[in-house]
Amino acid sequence: GIQVEQSPPDLILQEGANSTLRCNFSDSVNNLQWFHQNPWGQLINLFYIPSGTKQNGRLSATTVATERYSLLYISSSQTTDSGVYFCAVVDYGNNRLAFGKGNQVVVIP
Amino acid sequence: NAGVTQTPKFRVLKTGQSMTLLCAQDMNHEYMYWYRQDPGMGLRLIHYSVGEGTTAKGEVPDGYNVSRLKKQNFLLGLESAAPSQTSVYFCASSYSLGNEQFFGPGTRLTVL
Repeated sequence: GIQVEQSPPDLILQEGANSTLRCNFSDSVNNLQWFHQNPWGQLINLFYIPSGTKQNGRLSATTVATERYSLLYISSSQTTDSGVYFCAVVDYGNNRLAFGKGNQVVVIP
Repeated sequence: NAGVTQTPKFRVLKTGQSMTLLCAQDMNHEYMYWYRQDPGMGLRLIHYSVGEGTTAKGEVPDGYNVSRLKKQNFLLGLESAAPSQTSVYFCASSYSLGNEQFFGPGTRLTVL
């Protein structure tokens, strides 16, 4: 099945800082999702981004499917951005979303 | 739209007890999924359904059963709970496998 790797695993940010999270995947994909798992455990959909670039407020994402990676940008980070960020791609061979292990982000005031 | 809902939110079981987790979606999605999440890991697929009346095994199906009698509901059953099934369970739905998946709030299950 498809392997999904995320980096860095852990990140501590000062409030107001910018950051980039990376997701690499082992095979060609035609879909990719980014999620934010907040400290209460809820999984929030951030982006469905098979290719190209999308922006939503202070967050943006870029997927370069031909090079098998996606990037999530957080600008002017706030304490509410804390949590774990997951990327996931569809593994058609196993009929599932294949998740990375996540990027644990802590934003300190 | 409530999206995807799950009941209960929390549950504590003793080893050997049984229970059913209920997932409901109001988006008219064909596909529904049950995942489990364990510390330090992403989500792993337990079972899934591609439409009313269908079910199929995912990555980690042992010890679980599912049913999809109505399109909007997907039930996950544990017949004889084991401590290894202590986890957070998420339900999700989508129009098809390649479309965006939407997740419920999760059920935190502890098996003593």
